[in-house]
Amino acid sequence: GAGVSQTPSNKVTEKGKYVELRCDPISGHTALYWYRQSLGQGPEFLIYFQGTGAADDSGLPNDRFFAVRPEGSVSTLKIQRTERGDSAVYLCASSSTSGRADTQYFGPGTRLTVL
Amino acid sequence: KQEVTQIPAALSVPEGENLVLNCSFTDSAIYNLQWFRQDPGKGLTSLLLIQSSQREQTSGRLNASLDKSSGRSTLYIAASQPGDSATYLCAVRQGNNDMRFGAGTRLTVKP
Repeated sequence: GAGVSQTPSNKVTEKGKYVELRCDPISGHTALYWYRQSLGQGPEFLIYFQGTGAADDSGLPNDRFFAVRPEGSVSTLKIQRTERGDSAVYLCASSSTSGRADTQYFGPGTRLTVL
Repeated sequence: KQEVTQIPAALSVPEGENLVLNCSFTDSAIYNLQWFRQDPGKGLTSLLLIQSSQREQTSGRLNASLDKSSGRSTLYIAASQPGDSATYLCAVRQGNNDMRFGAGTRLTVKP
C-alpha cells in the first residue's frame, strides 16, 4: 500500500504570508505526528494527533503554528505570518496506534523556504 | 531535558569495511531507541527499534545495541556497500509522545 505522502514537496513563500502543509498518513493509522527538521539537525517534534484530537501540541514553537486533523486521517499544518526562521523541512509520520512500541512511518517532507 | 548526541558527524569508508555509529543520550529513562536512515531529500526509514528491556536488535547486515544505564547505543554495519551511503539518525522515546533525535551521522561508502 501507499506510504505517508506530503504535499507540496517544496513551498517558497514570502515573509509574513500564510502557508498550509498537507499530510496523508497510511490508511488506517490512528496516530499522526508532525516534525520540523532544520539543515544539519535531526527532526524536532511539533504535534501529535490520536484520531481527530491533538493529544500533545507541546512542540509547537508559538501560536503562529496550528495543525488540524478534522476527520482523523489527513492533517494540515498551518503557519501564519511566516518568518525566515520557519524555513525547514516539515516531516509527517504516522503509526498504527499510539503505542510507544509502534514504529513511525515518515513521509518525504515538505521543504519550506521563507524569503 | 533529553539530549541526544551522535558521533561522528560524518564518516567516509571504503566499500567492504565494517563500521560503528555511536549514539548517546543524557536521560536513561527511555521507552525505546530507534535507528533511522535518511537519504537526501527523502523522509526517514526505520531500520531497527530496540525496546528499553532489550539489549540488541539485528536486521541483515545491521546490528544495534542498547546500554540504557550508560546512555549509549551503537549501530554496527557489516560489509558496507555504496548503497549504505546516507544519514543515520538515532531517536529515543520517553514517556510522552515525541521522539528526541540526534543530529545524525552522514555516512559515505566509497566504491
